[in-house]
Amino acid sequence: DAGVIQSPRHEVTEMGQEVTLRCKPISGHDYLFWYRQTMMRGLELLIYFNNNVPIDDSGMPEDRFSAKMPNASFSTLKIQPSEPRDSAVYFCASSPSGRGDNEQFFGPGTRLTVL
Amino acid sequence: SQQGEEDPQALSIQEGENATMNCSYKTSINNLQWYRQNSGRGLVHLILIRSNEREKHSGRLRVTLDTSKKSSSLLITASRAADTASYFCATDFNTDKLIFGTGTRLQVFP
Repeated sequence: DAGVIQSPRHEVTEMGQEVTLRCKPISGHDYLFWYRQTMMRGLELLIYFNNNVPIDDSGMPEDRFSAKMPNASFSTLKIQPSEPRDSAVYFCASSPSGRGDNEQFFGPGTRLTVL
Repeated sequence: SQQGEEDPQALSIQEGENATMNCSYKTSINNLQWYRQNSGRGLVHLILIRSNEREKHSGRLRVTLDTSKKSSSLLITASRAADTASYFCATDFNTDKLIFGTGTRLQVFP
C-alpha cells in the first residue's frame, strides 16, 4: 500500500480564497483524522471520522472550516474564506480501529501558507 | 488541558549516548503511544504501551509507563545521527482519538 496520500503538498493562497486539502487513507482503515500543526499550538486534532461518519469535530476552529468524507477512500478539509492565521501544516492520518488501540498512519502533510 | 506535557523540550547529545524523554498526562488512559517526526515529514508510530504494562522494548527503544504518576518515558539507547527528530507521546484518554504532547526535539551530533 502507498500509505496515506495527501494533496497538494504545498499550497500558497491569498487571504479570502477557498482552500481544499485532500486525503486518501490506507485501504481498509475505518478511522480518518485531520490534524493541524503549528509552532505555537503544536499538533491539534481538528476532526475525525469513523466509517465515513464525522464523530468529533470539536477541534474545528470555526465555521470557516469544514470536512467531508464522501466515501472510504477520500476526504477533504475545506477552509473558506482562508485567513493568514490558518497558515500551518495539515496532516491526515488513518487507523484500522479506534480506542487508541492501534497506531495512526500519517500522511506527509500539506503546508498551507495564507498571505 | 488533556495534552501530554513532555520534557525536556529540546535535547542535544552525541552519537552513542542514550536519550531519555519524559511525558506526563493528567487523566486516566487505556494506552500511550510514542511517535517520531522527522523535519518536514509526517509522524511515524514507534511503540504502544497499554495501561496494564510497565515496560516495553522495541530494538533500541525502551518505554516505561507509571500510571500512578501518570507519566511515561522513552529511552533511546546508543543514539545515532539518524535519530535526530521530534518525539511525541500520545494518549487516548479512553476515547477513539489521540491527544499529542508538546514534543521533545532531539538533536544527535555525529
